[in-house]
Amino acid sequence: QVQLKESGPGLVQPSQTLSLTCTVSGFSLTSYNVHWVRQPPGKGLEWMGVIWSGGNTDYNSALKPRLSISRDTSKSQVFLTMNSLQTEDTGIYYCNRISLWGQGVMVTVSS
Amino acid sequence: DIVMTQAPLSVSVTPGESASISCRSSKSLLHSNGITYVYWYLQKPGKSPQLLIYRMSNLASGVPDRFSGSGSETDFTLKISRVEAEDVGIYYCGQLLENPYTFGAGTKLELK
Repeated sequence: QVQLKESGPGLVQPSQTLSLTCTVSGFSLTSYNVHWVRQPPGKGLEWMGVIWSGGNTDYNSALKPRLSISRDTSKSQVFLTMNSLQTEDTGIYYCNRISLWGQGVMVTVSS
Repeated sequence: DIVMTQAPLSVSVTPGESASISCRSSKSLLHSNGITYVYWYLQKPGKSPQLLIYRMSNLASGVPDRFSGSGSETDFTLKISRVEAEDVGIYYCGQLLENPYTFGAGTKLELK
């Protein structure tokens, strides 16, 4: 079954680093690109970045200084790391391959 | 950044009637390869977005043919024929032509 599933801490303190994992099944990361998109509570969608099937990455310039996306193909996992978190980073974080999205993981930035 | 502007922000539809949602991009989404990189998603309440239409007019797998997409280089329309209760949610258009990929603010569809 083709699916993506995000996991990570639900609460992060301001100025700390967020680490999320997207575990995929039913397809290979070397054949599909995986994107990260986030959604603040009650608001719209913001594209964060992508790791291409070949392993290269691209980032939203607004987040690039703080953001890193990597992967472990042997474990079928994609990782998102973002530092210097602020309250405005609170929201649901989704990984997706355009045609299919994960269920999302809620991240709250608060002390 | 390419700005995606949706209209209306909300629409109320009688079940069985049709609905149309518009989306305008601040730049042509037509690539030199002839593909127009506009996508439509539906986010049902409490759920993650699901793909409806890709590359302007292609129906995603498993999506009812009541949904259709059309448009030009900068103006796009999602049409829903014979609206059903399961169509309630927020519809987003998005452009996947250039970095950063961007989305419209969303159109909330509810039933009368």
